[in-house]
This record gives sequence, C-alpha cells and structure tokens, in this order.
Amino acid sequence: ETGVTQSPTHLIKTRGQQVTLRCSSQSGHNTVSWYQQALGQGPQFIFQYYREEENGRGNFPPRFSGLQFPNYSSELNVNALELDDSALYLCASSLPRGTGQETQYFGPGTRLLVL
Amino acid sequence: DAKTTQPNSMESNEEEPVHLPCNHSTISGTDYIHWYRQLPSQGPEYVIHGLTSNVNNRMASLAIAEDRKSSTLILHRATLRDAAVYYCILRDSANAGGTSYGKLTFGQGTILTVHP
Repeated sequence: ETGVTQSPTHLIKTRGQQVTLRCSSQSGHNTVSWYQQALGQGPQFIFQYYREEENGRGNFPPRFSGLQFPNYSSELNVNALELDDSALYLCASSLPRGTGQETQYFGPGTRLLVL
Repeated sequence: DAKTTQPNSMESNEEEPVHLPCNHSTISGTDYIHWYRQLPSQGPEYVIHGLTSNVNNRMASLAIAEDRKSSTLILHRATLRDAAVYYCILRDSANAGGTSYGKLTFGQGTILTVHP
C-alpha cells in the first residue's frame, strides 16, 4: 500500500510569484485535505476535495485554490505569494466521512519559503 | 469544532509510562476524540481515537472520563522515538447531509520530550 506522497519537498519562491504543490493520495482514498503549518504552530485547514470538488474551506483567501483529479491526486495553487505564505504545506488523504474510517493520513509536506 | 486544552510541554524518561492530558469541557455528544502526533520533520500521524469507552491499540491507550470532558493519552513505555508534538482533536461524527467535509482543527499540542 502506497502512502501519501507530496512534491516537491522544498521550494523557494519570491513575493508575487505563483506556486503549485502536488499530492498523491493513499490508494483507495478519494478525499484530500490541505493544511498550512507555520513554524511552531499546529496545522491550519485550507480546504478539502472530494469527488473532484472543493468540499469545505478554512479561513484562507481565494488566491489559495486547488484541484482534484479523477485518480484522486490533488494540487494546491497559491497566487501572488506573500512572505507569510512561507510554511510547511501538508496534504492528507482519507476515506469519505460517514464510512467510519475517516482517519487522515498525512504526507511529509512541502516546505515553501517565500523571499 | 469544539476546543481542546493541552499542556504546552511534558517530559518523560525512556521506558516509563507517559500520560498526556486533554481537556475538552465543551465536547458535544457526537464528537469523537482523536489524537495525532507529529514527529520532527514529518507530517502528523494518527495515534488513536474514541467516543465514550477507553480504547487500546498497538501504539497507545486512550482513557476517556465518564463525563467526556477530559481524556488522557497513555504511552505505556516511552521510547526516544515517541518524542513528538501530540495533538488532541475533537471531530464531529455527524454526517452532515452526506458530505465528506471533515477537517481537523489542530491546537498547539503538547511537546513531549523523552530522556534516555
């Protein structure tokens, strides 16, 4: 069974640029959630994708957007990068809510530095 | 999601049991208590979850107070590999309209240090 993978592992961008982060979910998991973790803080929920549609969103501006593909993999896009976007971005996959097996399995994260 | 309160940090010696407390006085009847941990330079990892009864798995035990307003994660014999940030999270088990929306709301967690 393949776990959650994310790419790239590290990334450096400058203010104003755009970035795309990628996530492959665990086999059989059709729900993907994205989190942002600033240094020294707990992860903060960005949004969740289920059946290729956004299905819940945290307190993040519209310049944070995402996609989910038919194979359940997902992308997180951030436009007009700001210095405060520097963080560890985590992807988690799970089975749908209501199945009784909603444990979220996290990837290792992508560390983004915005200069 | 209801809020949880955990100590900022705890210390333990290797091979000794560790009891990590969590207060959740505003828990609702449909909230499950989940524990995740995050080892250094890794994503969070599921540890255990429960609703009302105490739970055991290969990683840990979860003791839930009778009024469900607090719980304790028990590591029976701490190892150096257990050094991590431990998060206590409440998740609503109600399946709202058949959606799959189920975010995790992380707090600051408890930093567990294990001494050799």
